[in-house]
Amino acid sequence: EDQVTQSPEALRLQEGESSSLNCSYTVSGLRGLFWYRQDPGKGPEFLFTLYSAGEEKEKERLKATLTKKESFLHITAPKPEDSATYLCAVQGNGQNFVFGPGTRLSVLP
Amino acid sequence: NAGVTQTPKFRVLKTGQSMTLLCAQDMNHEYMYWYRQDPGMGLRLIHYSVGEGTTAKGEVPDGYNVSRLKKQNFLLGLESAAPSQTSVYFCASSYRQDSNYGYTFGSGTRLTVV
Repeated sequence: EDQVTQSPEALRLQEGESSSLNCSYTVSGLRGLFWYRQDPGKGPEFLFTLYSAGEEKEKERLKATLTKKESFLHITAPKPEDSATYLCAVQGNGQNFVFGPGTRLSVLP
Repeated sequence: NAGVTQTPKFRVLKTGQSMTLLCAQDMNHEYMYWYRQDPGMGLRLIHYSVGEGTTAKGEVPDGYNVSRLKKQNFLLGLESAAPSQTSVYFCASSYRQDSNYGYTFGSGTRLTVV
């Protein structure tokens, strides 16, 4: 059975304080690992897709990396507007996405 | 703006009542999905559709029915609501099931069953 866990559950950072979010997964036949951002009262918004170990993607202050068992979302010099819940999802041979519970990030000014 | 629109945004039901949630997309996507999101849990797939006139069960289909009579619309029905169906419901769509760009989500429907 495909599974995704995320840690920490919640993270509070000061503005400019870099950190990383973790997504650990077990999946039969990884077709893709996806990161989404979700703001309160909104639907998830697509950020990145990673396909194979060693791959990296960047967008503004965010960088996603992938190994065979986990993915990290690195946040460099975060700003208050980066506050959101970050969701990780995997797609395996079963093709339907399996989502993790998310990490709730708060960036304080 | 193009995207996924869900109606209604909020609803309170009494146990045993029925209702239909509507999802509409204007991106000509083939695939559409219904998820529920509960605190501390990831999004869980209820039902999905791979094209007009098709539907399939997801991870948690019991108590729900769906229909896709038109390509742009995907309806989620609750025939007899139960308190366990209190949740936030999200609709999503994509070109393909393994889309490079992930899924496009609507803004959700918050349903409370009392």
